[in-house]
Formats: sequence, C-alpha cells, structure tokens
Amino acid sequence: DAKTTQPTSMDCAEGRAANLPCNHSTISGNEYVYWYRQIHSQGPQYIIHGLKNNETNEMASLIITEDRKSSTLILPHATLRDTAVYYCIVRVALVLRGGSQGNLIFGKGTKLSVKP
Amino acid sequence: GAVVSQHPSRVICKSGTSVKIECRSLDFQATTMFWYRQFPKKSLMLMATSNEGSKATYEQGVEKDKFLINHASLTLSTLTVTSAHPEDSSFYICSARDSDRETYNEQFFGPGTRLTVL
Repeated sequence: DAKTTQPTSMDCAEGRAANLPCNHSTISGNEYVYWYRQIHSQGPQYIIHGLKNNETNEMASLIITEDRKSSTLILPHATLRDTAVYYCIVRVALVLRGGSQGNLIFGKGTKLSVKP
Repeated sequence: GAVVSQHPSRVICKSGTSVKIECRSLDFQATTMFWYRQFPKKSLMLMATSNEGSKATYEQGVEKDKFLINHASLTLSTLTVTSAHPEDSSFYICSARDSDRETYNEQFFGPGTRLTVL
C-alpha cells in the first residue's frame, strides 16, 4: 500500500471548517483513500473513503486532486468532540476472500485540536 | 449495524500470568479479523491477521507463541497474551471485516482493551 504524509498537528476554532491535508504521491490505480479518526483511548472510527471523485457524507467531505496524489478531509463545522488523531490511509479496496492484503497500515496521523 | 465489541475493556494482571481478550462482531460475520497494539502516544501497529478456521498470520517481530490467536467462529476471535510482562502493557484493538462485503475490504474496529501488567 502507498505511503501517506500528514502534518503532525493542527488547531481549529470551534464552528469553523477543519481542512486536513494528506499527500499520497505513490498511490496506484486500484488504491482508495480512506480516513479514520481515533478519539483518545477509543478504537478508530471510519470517516469516509474515495477513489477519484469527491465524496461527502454526514461526517465530512473528501476532496481528491485530479492526479490523486493528495487529498483533503474537510470537517465543515468542527466541534470540540472532533478533537482526535486523524489518519489518512491508502489501500486496495478489493481483496481475495480471507486475505490479509489491504489491511490497514496506520501512520502517525494528524492530531486535530478543536479549541473554543 | 457493523458493531464490534471487545472484552474486557480493561484488565490488570500480575507478571507471568496469561490474559485472554475477546473480539466479537455483533451483527455481522467476519471471516477475517485483525489485531493491533498501540503504545502511549504511538500509532496502531498491526500484530496479526486472524482467519476463521485457519492459523493466524503474524507480522514480522510479533511472537506467535506469546500472542496466541484463535478464530474458532465467524463472530469471535481471541488474543491470549501468555506469560505477560510489564512491557506487554498496551492498548489492544481488534477490527473485523464483514464477510458479506469482504471484497470491499470494509473493516470495523472494536473499542480496545487496556492491558496493564504489574
């Protein structure tokens, strides 16, 4: 799976949009971009994923550049409960049944601190 | 839907004892489950891949005789830390892949188990 690069930490004011960047310049054609977050002392939580088109769900929006070498996760109105470590992971989406390929490899992520 | 539970959520044990951690998929079947370990202020590290009815696949550097994995049913995988030592103290997290959607590689995480070895 391709490696990703994220800033170590970011601050965001409560109620403002949080834009979290991720570089994945070695991404291959069959790899998706996934975002998870981990609130302190909890298991990771899935946020969103995409291949090449921008995606939006109830939690966030994902903007992927046309060359797919980078992406941005957008939390439109950050709240204090969004304070967490956000992980950008690139991996294949289609796997052989029972296979370990495509398992999640976590980098260091971005620690987002939402401040009042 | 897609809920994964872990038991216990927190455990304290004496050095030299063995500890079993359970990971259950509550509303779906999981042919494949994954076990991660996370030390304080560090990222999650994959320990092993657990496949129902077969031997687990361990990542490099993880001792299979120390971290015993059993995946006897489609909804349950267990991780046993044998002869635990203080350096095994960590946050252990499992994830499960939905068998009905396995080709789409969707994984769901448990809440984690905090192990403290005295």
